[in-house]
Amino acid sequence: KAGVTQTPRYLIKTRGQQVTLSCSPISGHRSVSWYQQTPGQGLQFLFEYFSETQRNKGNFPGRFSGRQFSNSRSEMNVSTLELGDSALYLCASSLVGVSYEQYFGPGTRLTVT
Amino acid sequence: KNEVEQSPQNLTAQEGEFITINCSYSVGISALHWLQQHPGGGIVSLFMLSSGKKKHGRLIATINIQEKHSSLHITASHPRDSAVYICAVPQGGGADGLTFGKGTHLIIQP
Repeated sequence: KAGVTQTPRYLIKTRGQQVTLSCSPISGHRSVSWYQQTPGQGLQFLFEYFSETQRNKGNFPGRFSGRQFSNSRSEMNVSTLELGDSALYLCASSLVGVSYEQYFGPGTRLTVT
Repeated sequence: KNEVEQSPQNLTAQEGEFITINCSYSVGISALHWLQQHPGGGIVSLFMLSSGKKKHGRLIATINIQEKHSSLHITASHPRDSAVYICAVPQGGGADGLTFGKGTHLIIQP
């Protein structure tokens, strides 16, 4: 069974640009969550999607958005990038939510210059 | 919103020692996750538990729901166990995202 994949793995962007990250969950998993990891704040919840609907959103500004497609693949978008958005962005998939085992992707390392 | 406290933040031990990492949370939960993160970023789920005790190889995880506390134990520790261990719980309600502890940086010296 293929694991969770994330593309791209590394990305360098300039302040003010926007970026789209992609996450393909394990086949059969309907829940996809996104997390941001920085040295200062650790791991923080961005949002969770289930069956194409955003079920919950963390405490991040509206520049962070996402969506989920009918095949459960998910994308997250960050507009008007700031230096502080430099982070490792991880997605995790599970059957139906956070009360089930989470399978993490390798992450996308975003650097904003 | 759930608050998660992990201890210790850093731990250096000799190969073969018994390791214990603790996690406390503030709000009742449906499940607690123990995760392992190696340098480079990849996160692996070690355990998900809602009661009692689970064992996988040299790793043991326990949870006390009444006391809102969980422990991760490593028996006969090995240098390859060196990693960051992270405790995570649902933020609140069970249908939303995870809240994470700050992690325990474990180094096992040969």
